[in-house]
Parts: sequence; C-alpha cells; structure tokens
Amino acid sequence: TQLLEQSPQFLSIQEGENLTVYCNSSSVFSSLQWYRQEPGEGPVLLVTVVTGGEVKKLKRLTFQFGDARKDSSLHITAAQPGDTGLYLCAGSYGQNFVFGPGTRLSVLP
Amino acid sequence: DTGVSQDPRHKITKRGQNVTFRCDPISEHNRLYWYRQTLGQGPEFLTYFQNEAQLEKSRLLSDRFSAERPKGSFSTLEIQRTEQGDSAMYLCASIRQGGITEAFFGQGTRLTVV
Repeated sequence: TQLLEQSPQFLSIQEGENLTVYCNSSSVFSSLQWYRQEPGEGPVLLVTVVTGGEVKKLKRLTFQFGDARKDSSLHITAAQPGDTGLYLCAGSYGQNFVFGPGTRLSVLP
Repeated sequence: DTGVSQDPRHKITKRGQNVTFRCDPISEHNRLYWYRQTLGQGPEFLTYFQNEAQLEKSRLLSDRFSAERPKGSFSTLEIQRTEQGDSAMYLCASIRQGGITEAFFGQGTRLTVV
C-alpha cells in the first residue's frame, strides 16, 4: 500500500517567518506533486517534481524531491497571509495517485 | 480556473435520497478521477476512467455508489440511499494521457446528508 505522511499537521506562524513542511513515504514514486487547497475549493497544482534530488522554485516557495524519490519538502520564505491553506502532497505511481493528509498552514498578519 | 467544472457546488439531501454529481473535465484529457475528501483529510481515491472505460474502483466505493462516463467526456457519480457518512467533498480530477501525470481538480461538490 502506498502511503504518504505529512508533517506538521498544523502550523500557525506570523507573517514574514520562514517555514518548511514535509512529505514522507516508505515507497518510491515516479513523481510527486504539491497542491494548495483553500476551504470549499478543489486542490490547485503548485508543482511537480520528477527527478531524485530535484529542486524547483516558485516565487517564495522552494520544493525539493528526495534523492530516493520517497520524500519531499516545501519551504516558504517570508510567509504571507495569502499563503494560508491546506498543502497536500501527492505521489504518482502507475495510473494512480495517493495523497497525504495535508499540512494546514495559517499565516497571521 | 483549472478548466474542470463540477455541478452542483453544494448539495444538501435527506438520508435515504439519491444524489447525482456531474464533472466536465478538460476536453483533451482522457483520464478522469473521482475522489472523496472529509474535513482535515487528504482526498481519497474512489474510481477512475480512461475514456469511457472504468478501470479501477476503490474498496471505498460501496454498492450504493456508481460512476459513469458514457461518451468519454463528462462523468457522473451517483450515490443511492445516502447515509450521513456520505457527507464529504466529492472532487473530480482531469488528467492528460502521457508525459508527467498531473491532476487538475474541479472545485468539488460539497454533499451534506441530514
């Protein structure tokens, strides 16, 4: 069974702080994706990482795929209230995805 | 706007009633997925279609649930004899065949069974 764990489950920080959230599994994935979901909406794709060790940047967000393609991290620099949301990682295997439970981030002004 | 639309956005129904949801995927995407998400959890896979063929169903999909994609375009998810435990957000995702697998989600249908 492919399972993804995310940590922390909840994170509340002040505007301007940096943070890192983690996505871990004992399984290898062909690719891994990060989504942000706001209340009452569907998840929105932020990035896909494919190669072990890959680093991608999206403005203040930095995503890294572990060398063994089993884990990933998302680092946000100088968080803004607009970053508030549920951050989900999803691993791709075969024709399907498995989602982690998410990290709920709250950035206070 | 991801290009995937779901209807309705919200549905309140009485226990025991049947409900049907619709998903219109991105037109050039031939794979369509249904997920269910409860509060505080990530989406859980229900079923997926490649064109009109339903290729995989989760054990979560009881006999009361049925999904169709009759012409390989839009899809419907029907829940018969709804139960309070069916209350959740139902998400549809559209995926293009080939290349890197990336899912584009609709805004979801929030079902509340009272």
